[in-house]
Order: sequence, then structure tokens, then C-alpha cells
Amino acid sequence: EIVLTQSPATLSLSPGERATLSCRASQSVSSYLAWYQQKPGQAPRLLIYDASNRATGIPARFSGSGSGTDFTLTISSLEPEDFAVYYCQQRSNWPPTYTFGQGTKLEIK
Amino acid sequence: QVQLQQWGAGLLKPSETLSLTCAVYGGSFSGYYWSWIRQPPGKGLEWIGEINHSGSTNYNPSLKSRVTISVDTSKNQFSLKLSSVTAADTAVYYCARAGCSSTSCYTAYDLWGRGTLVTVSS
Repeated sequence: EIVLTQSPATLSLSPGERATLSCRASQSVSSYLAWYQQKPGQAPRLLIYDASNRATGIPARFSGSGSGTDFTLTISSLEPEDFAVYYCQQRSNWPPTYTFGQGTKLEIK
Repeated sequence: QVQLQQWGAGLLKPSETLSLTCAVYGGSFSGYYWSWIRQPPGKGLEWIGEINHSGSTNYNPSLKSRVTISVDTSKNQFSLKLSSVTAADTAVYYCARAGCSSTSCYTAYDLWGRGTLVTVSS
């Protein structure tokens, strides 16, 4: 089973600052990595798929990069609504399974 | 606008069977994989399993012995059954959709239900 490890567990920043979140896979996932944002009481929302493609309606301040085992989600300039928990996720082809990282909480400093 | 609406019992006793259903409104049911994902209170996300419109399933190996996911294409619905529940199964359960993009298929979830809190308590 592929394990995804996110860092840091908590990131404290101020609005307007740049956020860099990391996700490391225990083995290569090629570019098949997604990022989600989750706010309290809500379902996760897809931000990035296939490592670097923004999902429909996602603002340009969100960007993803990486391939193989190391991936990054960058928020170029934090807006107040961006403070939330972020998860990475991958799909393995065999056996067909999905796994999520443990999450990074982005909090207001 | 495509929506997922889910429902099911929210309070179970240990050893009972969890049963949830998710309906797809406003969009196609075929061409996607439909999953169940859960989130214990204050914790992260765990994939339970998936099914497509043909009934082909994949399950999380850690839950496989207790999970059944089925589909009713006449109603554009899919369902989850989890047997012999314990307190460890207490979680918010989500249904979600994985489809194809220009670059890949079934690698991310672009549509989610609102979630159903299921509590297991004696």
C-alpha cells in the first residue's frame, strides 16, 4: 500500500502570505496525485488533479507541482477563506485503491 | 448541475449493519466510478470502496471482509453496506464521484455528497 505523508501537520500564516504544503509518497505515483481543501462541517473540495491541473472553478492562486514521490501545493497569496485543512490523495492501479495523506491544517497566524 | 444526495441510518448498535445510499441527480451515471469514503470525527479520510455502472467493484483491503457496495442503475443510485460495526466505524460517510479528465481517468474525486454522520454506540 502506498502511504502519503504530508508536512507540516500545521502551518500558521497570515493573509497575503505564500503557503507551501508538501506531500510525499512511499513509492512513485507518477503524476496521479490530487489535492483537496476541507472546511469544518463540509465535504472535501477538489483543488488539483494529476499533480498540476486546477479543477473547475479553482482560483489561479492555487497551483500544484511534482511527480514521482514528491508533490507540492502552493497558495500564492492567502485569502481569508483559504484557511482550512488540505489533503493529498493518490490512486494505485494494482490493487485498485485510493489513499489519502493525513492532512495539513492551514491556520491564521 | 449534478448533485449527490445520500441518506441512511445515523445511529447503530455494535454488531449491526450500516446501510447508506447515494443518488445521482442531474447527470450521467455511466462512465464514472462511485466511491464511499469515511472520516472519523477529527481525523482524516479513508477510502472504503468503489463501483461503476456495470457493477465492477474495488474495496479497501482493510475493510473488504465487511463491505458490500452495490448499484441500481434504474434509479442512478449506489449503496454501501458495512457489517458487524463497532465504535471504530463511527464516522462521517461520504459518497463521491471519480471520472475522466483530459489526462487520466478515476484518479480524483470531483463531486462529493454532503456526508452522513454514523454513530455506533450501545
